Amino acid sequence: DIQMTQSPSTLSACVGDRVTITCRASQSISSWLAWYQQKPGKAPNLLIYKASTLESGVPPRFSGSGSGTEFTLTISSLQPDDFATYYCQQFNSYPYTFGQGTKLEIK
Amino acid sequence: QITLKESGPAVVKPTQTLTLTCTFSGFSLSTSGVGVAWFRQPPGKALEWLALIYWDDVKRYSPSLQSRCTISKDTSKNQVVLTMTNMDPVDTATYYCAHKKGAGLYNWFDSWGQGTLVTVSS
Repeated sequence: DIQMTQSPSTLSACVGDRVTITCRASQSISSWLAWYQQKPGKAPNLLIYKASTLESGVPPRFSGSGSGTEFTLTISSLQPDDFATYYCQQFNSYPYTFGQGTKLEIK
Repeated sequence: QITLKESGPAVVKPTQTLTLTCTFSGFSLSTSGVGVAWFRQPPGKALEWLALIYWDDVKRYSPSLQSRCTISKDTSKNQVVLTMTNMDPVDTATYYCAHKKGAGLYNWFDSWGQGTLVTVSS
C-alpha cells in the first residue's frame, strides 16, 4: 500500500494568513492526488484533484501543487470558513489511501 | 445534481454482518465510466477507502478488508450495497458512500453522502 503522510498534524493560524499543508507519498504517484476538506460531523468535500486542478465551485484561494512524492495545499488568505481538517488521497493505485489529516485551528 | 445517502443499522453486535445501502440520484450506474465507492472513518480518525464498484460490475476492495466485504449494485433501484461480515468493535465508524470522477484506475470522489454512524457493541 502507498502510505500518505501529512504535515503538520495540527496548524494554528489567523484569518488572513497564508498556510501550506504538505502531503508526502511513500512512492511516486505522479499527479494522482486529491485534497479534501472536512468539517466536524460532515462528509469530506473535494477541493483539488490531479494535484492542482481546482474543483468547480471551490474558491481560488485554495491551490495545490506537486508531483511524484511531495505535494502541497495552500490557502492564500485564510477565511473563517476554512478552519477544518484537510486530507490528501492518492489514486495512483489500489488501495486508495489517505493521509492522517491536518487540523487547521484558529490561533 | 448528484446526491447520495447511506442507510443501515446504527448498532450491530460483534460477529454480526453489517449491510449498508447507498441510494443515489443524479447519475446512473449503467452509464459507462460511472462508479460508487464506500469509505469509513472511525471517531476522531482518518478516512479509509473500503471498496469501489464500476458501471460494468468490476469491483475493487481494500486488501485489508477484502475477505469480509462485498459490494454490489442494483442499477434499477439506483443503489449500491456494502456488506461486511464478522463485525468487531474496531469497525465502529461513520460509513460514507461517494461518486467517483476520473477514468480507469484514476479516481477521485466529488460527491459524498452524509454518512451513517455504525456502532459495534454487544
